[in-house]
Amino acid sequence: GDSVTQMEGPVTLSEEAFLTINCTYTATGYPSLFWYVQYPGEGLQLLLKATKADDKGSNKGFEATYRKETTSFHLEKGSVQVSDSAVYFCALRTTGGFKTIFGAGTRLFVKA
Amino acid sequence: EADIYQTPRYLVIGTGKKITLECSQTMGHDKMYWYQQDPGMELHLIHYSYGVNSTEKGDLSSESTVSRIRTEHFPLTLESARPSHTSQYLCASSWTENTGELFFGEGSRLTVL
Repeated sequence: GDSVTQMEGPVTLSEEAFLTINCTYTATGYPSLFWYVQYPGEGLQLLLKATKADDKGSNKGFEATYRKETTSFHLEKGSVQVSDSAVYFCALRTTGGFKTIFGAGTRLFVKA
Repeated sequence: EADIYQTPRYLVIGTGKKITLECSQTMGHDKMYWYQQDPGMELHLIHYSYGVNSTEKGDLSSESTVSRIRTEHFPLTLESARPSHTSQYLCASSWTENTGELFFGEGSRLTVL
């Protein structure tokens, strides 16, 4: 069945460091791919998305490229801030839009 | 900004009590969902709805029930709460097409003593 695998955390970085959180997926058809972020005590909110192969989603300095050949959607940011400390979820929405499948989440801590 | 609201945000209740977690959205979305989030952060789909009078069980078995009498409202009910029901419950909604994202409420954190 369809699934999402993302790197385990926690990830601890110093401010201004480069961030990569790996995400790979297994899916039939042509899913849409998403990154969601969850700040402490809140629900999830969309960070970025890509709906077809080679699309790049970007928002708030974060970006991810939909790579169909490697079935990946890695999240990157060139310079993290303390305020980026949160849990990040990679997700796919199946063809037909019936379900969204989430990865297990990666907790990021950014130290000042 | 997302217009999806959950109440209560926090609830502490004794074993055996009946509870209802409320979820409302003002975006006219046809699909609505309930997720249970465990302390390890992982999200588990427990219920979803395609529209009014449609409800389905999700991937994780749950003793809770849901109803969808109005498009905007998707309450979750536990008839008899137990400590094993202690968790964070997240409500979400979306349009039908698969390019659309989920909009989440802020969550309801339930503690059953």
